[in-house]
Amino acid sequence: GEDVEQSLFLSVREGDSSVINCTYTDSSSTYLYWYKQEPGAGLQLLTYIFSNMDMKQDQRLTVLLNKKDKHLSLRIADTQTGDSAIYFCASGGSASKIIFGSGTRLSIRP
Amino acid sequence: EPEVTQTPSHQVTQMGQEVILRCVPISNHLYFYWYRQILGQKVEFLVSFYNNEISEKSEIFDDQFSVERPDGSNFTLKIRSTKLEDSAMYFCASTWAVDQPQHFGDGTRLSIL
Repeated sequence: GEDVEQSLFLSVREGDSSVINCTYTDSSSTYLYWYKQEPGAGLQLLTYIFSNMDMKQDQRLTVLLNKKDKHLSLRIADTQTGDSAIYFCASGGSASKIIFGSGTRLSIRP
Repeated sequence: EPEVTQTPSHQVTQMGQEVILRCVPISNHLYFYWYRQILGQKVEFLVSFYNNEISEKSEIFDDQFSVERPDGSNFTLKIRSTKLEDSAMYFCASTWAVDQPQHFGDGTRLSIL
């Protein structure tokens, strides 16, 4: 069935760039998403990319999509302590439901 | 910016009791969803709803679950006879078109005792 895989943990130094990677299996995905979840909070839509795009940049966030390899990445430039959270990669296909990865916990070192 | 709102933020219920989780989707949205996240696990799709009927449901969404849009603004998830394993965070989401991004509420944490 459809699946989304991502690494569970990432630790970066404050001020460095963070890169979170993800792979997905549903080739019919229309949108690929990144959601952010802070402790005890809901799912915040961080950014998303349409499947016919290769790259999307939004301030400190850069999303890269390799559709051939079904690989998605999220780069956060100049990572700050406020970026500490769990980041969920997700794919949305023509069936409309979203399939989530397990989430990558990003921790920031001083 | 308009947002999806969910109430209550935390619901504690005795096992076997019925519970209703409430959501107010964004006003011009037409497609509605429920997802759940058991502590420490993935967010899982439960059900999608459009034009006053269920579009798709997962294996999790068995006969104990039902959804309803009782009026023009609310979207509810009912669990008829709760079990311990229903304890989770339940998220409502909505979108105005099936191929558009879904916007999520902050969730209702359901604790079954």
